Amino acid sequence: GAVVSQHPSRVICKSGTSVKIECRSLDFQATTMFWYRQFPKQSLMLMATSNEGSKATYEQGVEKDKFLINHASLTLSTLTVTSAHPEDSSFYICSASRRGGGSDTQYFGPGTRLTVL
Amino acid sequence: DQQVKQNSPSLSVQEGRISILNCDYTNSMFDYFLWYKKYPAEGPTFLISISSIKDKNEDGRFTVFLNKSAKHLSLHIVPSQPGDSAVYFCAAGSSNTGKLIFGQGTTLQVKP
Repeated sequence: GAVVSQHPSRVICKSGTSVKIECRSLDFQATTMFWYRQFPKQSLMLMATSNEGSKATYEQGVEKDKFLINHASLTLSTLTVTSAHPEDSSFYICSASRRGGGSDTQYFGPGTRLTVL
Repeated sequence: DQQVKQNSPSLSVQEGRISILNCDYTNSMFDYFLWYKKYPAEGPTFLISISSIKDKNEDGRFTVFLNKSAKHLSLHIVPSQPGDSAVYFCAAGSSNTGKLIFGQGTTLQVKP
């Protein structure tokens, strides 16, 4: 199977600071990476779609200036939560779609728990 | 507007019996569907998928059924094992975008 890692696994920060989360596909090249967030006992909500070398596509209601996404290579995408506030506290999960794979080949990272104080 | 719905937040079954998890969708543009298993504070783990051109896909103890006319899919787990206890999410995707829309999840508890 394909392996996707996320770093850090959990982070606690003060309100107003920025936090960067990395998502890496370890053993395959990912044409597309996706960022989700999950609130407690709720579903995974797609935030944005990230294609290598191009700008991310954000879902309706997601502030692109607040959630900066960079997909610099076929194995790395980063999500930066800028000027974080307590309401940004959530579980952030990335997924990677394998290059040349079928349309259902989306592999998920282990997630990052962000707590903003 | 919830495009993918799992109307049962929880399900409890006895070990060895069948678990049936249900999922409904509204958007006829979805052309593939997946089931994921998730533990707290972990990412989802892919279980099984089905293309819209099929009505059944089986993988070991897991079978997914798709009823396109009813816009309904279900995951059957038989026999259920205590290790199957987790939250199960169905997801629907469109091959045009590659995006997945997730249901709310169903918490399955398999009792020994």
